[in-house]
Amino acid sequence: QVQLVESGGGVVQTGRSLRLSCAASGFNFRTHAMHWVRQAPGKGLEWVAFIWYDGSEKHYADSVKGRFTISRDNSKNTLFLQMNSLRAEDTAIYFCAGDPPQSGFAFDIWGQGTMVTVSS
Amino acid sequence: QSVLTQPPSASGTPGQRVTISCSGSSSNIGSNTVNWYRQLPGTAPKLLIYNNNQRPSGVPDRFSDSKSGTSASLAISGLQSDDEADYYCAAWDGSLNGVLFGGGTKLTVL
Repeated sequence: QVQLVESGGGVVQTGRSLRLSCAASGFNFRTHAMHWVRQAPGKGLEWVAFIWYDGSEKHYADSVKGRFTISRDNSKNTLFLQMNSLRAEDTAIYFCAGDPPQSGFAFDIWGQGTMVTVSS
Repeated sequence: QSVLTQPPSASGTPGQRVTISCSGSSSNIGSNTVNWYRQLPGTAPKLLIYNNNQRPSGVPDRFSDSKSGTSASLAISGLQSDDEADYYCAAWDGSLNGVLFGGGTKLTVL
């Protein structure tokens, strides 16, 4: 069964850090680029970060650049998002998504999401 | 970060054909493929159309897309009540080096 399962969300104070994980199973994780996408309560989707299948390339949305770091461990089929200096506007459901080769950045696999709440 | 422009809402009656537009620029829609997602309340988005009108397994051919210049459209024919959902377009932006999403369109079946 093709699956992505996020974990690590929770309530955190402004300025603190949180690390999200995304465990992959049922597909060849090593060939997929991976992304984090977030959705603030009642709002639309916002792309957060991307990592190439081998970790050689990473890109970030301007809103998180310098604060968030995406990484992956292909030996453990796991994707990570280290979030530092969290702000209230980072409050959202965070989804991890898989992007297969030659799909034109199409996210064909999504996790169920993990909620991050940043409060003062 | 800028977004691709979608109408906030769209509607139609059962059996009708509806289209949802997505407007961008030369650095995103104008030079890269557009992907479409559908999201039901409280659930994760699901890929609907990708890479020039390709559909994942299980998506009926009632769903199709088109692109012209810096704009794209999703068409849904034979509208059904369970097509009610939020629809998002997305494309890679070569200037921003990131994926842009549209603001989303809430489709209501009257």
